[in-house]
Amino acid sequence: NAGVTQTPKFRVLKTGQSMTLLCAQDMNHEYMYWYRQDPGMGLRLIHYSVGEGTTAKGEVPDGYNVSRLKKQNFLLGLESAAPSQTSVYFCASSPQRGRTDTDTQYFGPGTRLTVL
Amino acid sequence: AQTVTQSQPEMSVQEAETVTLSCTYDTSESDYYLFWYKQPPSRQMILVIRQEAYKQQNATENRFSVNFQKAAKSFSLKISDSQLGDAAMYFCAYGRYDATNKLIFGTGTLLAVQP
Repeated sequence: NAGVTQTPKFRVLKTGQSMTLLCAQDMNHEYMYWYRQDPGMGLRLIHYSVGEGTTAKGEVPDGYNVSRLKKQNFLLGLESAAPSQTSVYFCASSPQRGRTDTDTQYFGPGTRLTVL
Repeated sequence: AQTVTQSQPEMSVQEAETVTLSCTYDTSESDYYLFWYKQPPSRQMILVIRQEAYKQQNATENRFSVNFQKAAKSFSLKISDSQLGDAAMYFCAYGRYDATNKLIFGTGTLLAVQP
């Protein structure tokens, strides 16, 4: 049971390049999330998904796209990277909402992205 | 909109002592839940403790406990018998009972533990 995994762990891009971050979870969770973490700003939600084939915008969605073609995977894409997207990106997943501790979010190890 | 405020960017504690990290939040909801997450230098986000607003009893997990004051919208984390491994960034987070399980995070408190 690997939990939530993220690929890659580190990446350096040049301005204007594109890339895709992959998040995978093996806990059969319905919900998945992408966050970015910047110094002094905590974690901010980029996009999220409440089920296979569904996605929705979070707090800071501009410049990013996502897809959830399979329940276990959630992809985050940068079509034209900008230096402002230099950040640490976290994926998380959680079970469907309920009045138990099963609505806790479980996080991947993060991806450090630098855009030059 | 809900907000979460952690007013202490950095804190320091001596090994074996007790430290309290502060968190306040703003919401008009009556039913919600709150978390403390720990982020050590490894960067991994680790759940420390969880509190549901409808429960009056404060949550505890071994050396970690919370002081949940619903009327004051305050959710502080107390770490007893601090250990070197407790050194980390600590994030407070707020979640609504809705169909998304989205969380709103504070900006974090960096805790140093002095030997």
